[in-house]
Amino acid sequence: EAQVTQNPRYLITVTGKKLTVTCSQNMNHEYMSWYRQDPGLGLRQIYYSMNVEVTDKGDVPEGYKVSRKEKRNFPLILESPSPNQTSLYFCASSLSTAATDTQYFGPGTRLTVL
Amino acid sequence: GEDVEQSLFLSVREGDSSVINCTYTDSSSTYLYWYKQEPGAGLQLLTYIFSNMDMKQDQRLTVLLNKKDKHLSLRIADTQTGDSAIYFCAESISGSNYKLTFGKGTLLTVNP
Repeated sequence: EAQVTQNPRYLITVTGKKLTVTCSQNMNHEYMSWYRQDPGLGLRQIYYSMNVEVTDKGDVPEGYKVSRKEKRNFPLILESPSPNQTSLYFCASSLSTAATDTQYFGPGTRLTVL
Repeated sequence: GEDVEQSLFLSVREGDSSVINCTYTDSSSTYLYWYKQEPGAGLQLLTYIFSNMDMKQDQRLTVLLNKKDKHLSLRIADTQTGDSAIYFCAESISGSNYKLTFGKGTLLTVNP
């Protein structure tokens, strides 16, 4: 089944403890992206990647890192999480960056930083 | 800069039509999208419209675009309880899908 998977789905952690949220897609998609969703703010893009070893900042990249060593995986790294990074995170992928290519979203990771 | 606005809530009765509205500020928007988010799930693309179109219909969904007023709407005919979800409007000004600006989402509640 074609899908975008994220792990973990739920995570509660403490300030400063490094964490990684994994994202994997099995559709051989070139483009992948991370968003965060906050009440009253909608979705905001954190980072995106157009291909392997190519990543770029979105609108809210501060406090996050990403890597794209393989086409299928795009992990989101929080080196030193803070409470303002408590949010619902979505990974997405699409075949290319063409406007008509559908972005497929993962199920989301709910992160709480205490 | 880009900004996309939506009303936050809409409540309708089952069988009625729902109309979700969206306004955007950037006149150079090339594609406009509607996404649906069901509880506990990620976003799912419903439909999109190119900026040189006025209307697009896909089964129960009708998208209307008024480029002059920068107004986009999504009409759902014969709304069902399974249509209850958050609906997001999004715009692309780059002609690609990698820089989308999303609205805050409209929570549609369908009452039996």
